[in-house]
Amino acid sequence: DAGVTQSPTHLIKTRGQQVTLRCSPKSGHDTVSWYQQALGQGPQFIFQYYEEEERQRGNFPDRFSGHQFPNYSSELNVNALLLGDSALYLCASSGDRGLPEQYFGPGTRLTVT
Amino acid sequence: DAKTTQPPSMDCAEGRAANLPCNHSTISGNEYVYWYRQIHSQGPQYIIHGLKNNETNEMASLIITEDRKSSTLILPHATLRDTAVYYCIVHYGGATNKLIFGTGTLLAVQP
Repeated sequence: DAGVTQSPTHLIKTRGQQVTLRCSPKSGHDTVSWYQQALGQGPQFIFQYYEEEERQRGNFPDRFSGHQFPNYSSELNVNALLLGDSALYLCASSGDRGLPEQYFGPGTRLTVT
Repeated sequence: DAKTTQPPSMDCAEGRAANLPCNHSTISGNEYVYWYRQIHSQGPQYIIHGLKNNETNEMASLIITEDRKSSTLILPHATLRDTAVYYCIVHYGGATNKLIFGTGTLLAVQP
């Protein structure tokens, strides 16, 4: 059983560009959360998707948007990239009823130059 | 969610027990204490969680004080592979709620 997978592993973009990151949840999970982790900091919650809708959102601007597909996979889109968007972007899945933990993917390292 | 306070770093000798403290003095009655860890360049990994009672699983033990204002994560026999950042998170529970991470404790296990 594959765990949470994310693509791409690394990405380099230029300021002002747009980027799309992808996540496939662990089998049996229907909820996907996205986190941003700047260097030396803990992960910060961006938003969460369930039943193809955004259910919770952290303190991130509208440049950050997402989508969830019928197969529960998800995309994170960031428009008008800033240097400060350089970070590790983590996807976490959950939804096994009765199990308390979120399962994290390995992340996508985004560098904005 | 309540705020947690952890020491920024700790050392532990290989084979010894690692005791990682966490203060959560503003925790409310229905909030759980969760521990995750993040090994370098990987996503965070769930370790253990508890509400009031002490908990143990194959990875670690969690000791929560009676007043619930602090807790300790215990790795009974630390190995080099346990070197990681350990995050203590206070959380309403349920895997679908957002996690609020602090900066955690960097545990360095020394040979």
